[in-house]
Amino acid sequence: DAKTTQPPSMDCAEGRAANLPCNHSTISGNEYVYWYRQIHSQGPQYIIHGLKNNETNEMASLIITEDRKSSTLILPHATLRDTAVYYCIVSDNTDKLIFGTGTRLQVFP
Amino acid sequence: GAVVSQHPSRVICKSGTSVKIECRSLDFQATTMFWYRQFPKKSLMLMATSNEGSKATYEQGVEKDKFLINHASLTLSTLTVTSAHPEDSSFYICSAKEGADTEAFFGQGTRLTVV
Repeated sequence: DAKTTQPPSMDCAEGRAANLPCNHSTISGNEYVYWYRQIHSQGPQYIIHGLKNNETNEMASLIITEDRKSSTLILPHATLRDTAVYYCIVSDNTDKLIFGTGTRLQVFP
Repeated sequence: GAVVSQHPSRVICKSGTSVKIECRSLDFQATTMFWYRQFPKKSLMLMATSNEGSKATYEQGVEKDKFLINHASLTLSTLTVTSAHPEDSSFYICSAKEGADTEAFFGQGTRLTVV
């Protein structure tokens, strides 16, 4: 079973920041938080991952709470091409990725 | 990011035949590869984990004799759906990791239709 809880859907206006929450209250000390997204009929795309520090790359920022029980993926300036299903996954680096139901993000003009 | 390529992207086969799907890591050596299937409007379901040179580890409920996985080299894993039936029609996706401390990258998926 997936170890994360995400809202099933969210909307975001183009150009605004999209903040996608994820709860992972049972995360273990050696488990990372990964974010992937899947655009319709394609394989998932890696976005970002982190252990306890906040992370930023060219795609997004990942904010992890101090107790590590939740995190937020931030797309700073959403575009229509960011419309996708976003998956938050917790896993240690030696283990498989178990996907939950994800959040369907709809970016509108 | 790293590139993982699946072939074919689409395949239609007759009931009772077998279909092989290839998954290649193009710019890195994949010590571990994973196979998933996905039904319409559903999430990805992990089928099995394969490590190069050893037998695959299947998830509960996945028939290993029906879904044969071979990870013969560090850049290639294959999934063979044997004696396919219409209920095997699905979107099959592979992913690959270079090592324990790296993220997994996914192929573009293979849509299998059994008629």
